[in-house]
Amino acid sequence: GDSVTQMEGPVTLSEEAFLTINCTYTATGYPSLFWYVQYPGEGLQLLLKATKADDKGSNKGFEATYRKETTSFHLEKGSVQVSDSAVYFCALIIQGAQKLVFGQGTRLTINP
Amino acid sequence: DAGVIQSPRHEVTEMGQEVTLRCKPISGHDYLFWYRQTMMRGLELLIYFNNNVPIDDSGMPEDRFSAKMPNASFSTLKIQPSEPRDSAVYFCASRFQGAAGNTIYFGEGSWLTVV
Repeated sequence: GDSVTQMEGPVTLSEEAFLTINCTYTATGYPSLFWYVQYPGEGLQLLLKATKADDKGSNKGFEATYRKETTSFHLEKGSVQVSDSAVYFCALIIQGAQKLVFGQGTRLTINP
Repeated sequence: DAGVIQSPRHEVTEMGQEVTLRCKPISGHDYLFWYRQTMMRGLELLIYFNNNVPIDDSGMPEDRFSAKMPNASFSTLKIQPSEPRDSAVYFCASRFQGAAGNTIYFGEGSWLTVV
């Protein structure tokens, strides 16, 4: 079946550090890939997405590249801020299907 | 544009009581989803609708849960009777089939505590 695996959390970094959150997937069809972010006490917000191989999604300084050869969609940011502290979810949806499949989430804490 | 709107944002209720969660999807969207988030199980799809018709309710945990979508701008998720293990965040989400990228947009969630 379809699944998403994220790196285990929690992740704690200092402000201005480089961030990578790994995400790999298994898909029975051709997926679109997403990163959602959940700030404390809030709902899920779409952070970025990519719909085909080699596409790069970007938003708020975050980037992720759809790598079909490695079935990965790792999230990166060059210099994190305290305000980036949140839970990050990698997700996929197969074209033609309706179910969004989520990873388990990675809690990120940025210390000043 | 207004996003997905859910109410109530927070609810505390006693075991055995009926709970009704409400959702207004983004205007023009033809799919509506109900998800549940818990620490133990993460994000689970409970049910989804297409053009107000329930398509897949295989994620609904048991008969105490029911969902309706009487029109394109409103849906409810009802729990009767509620139990402490139903405590979770319930998200409503919607999407438009014709939009590129299959993006699903989520509401702020209804944070339910059953005591």
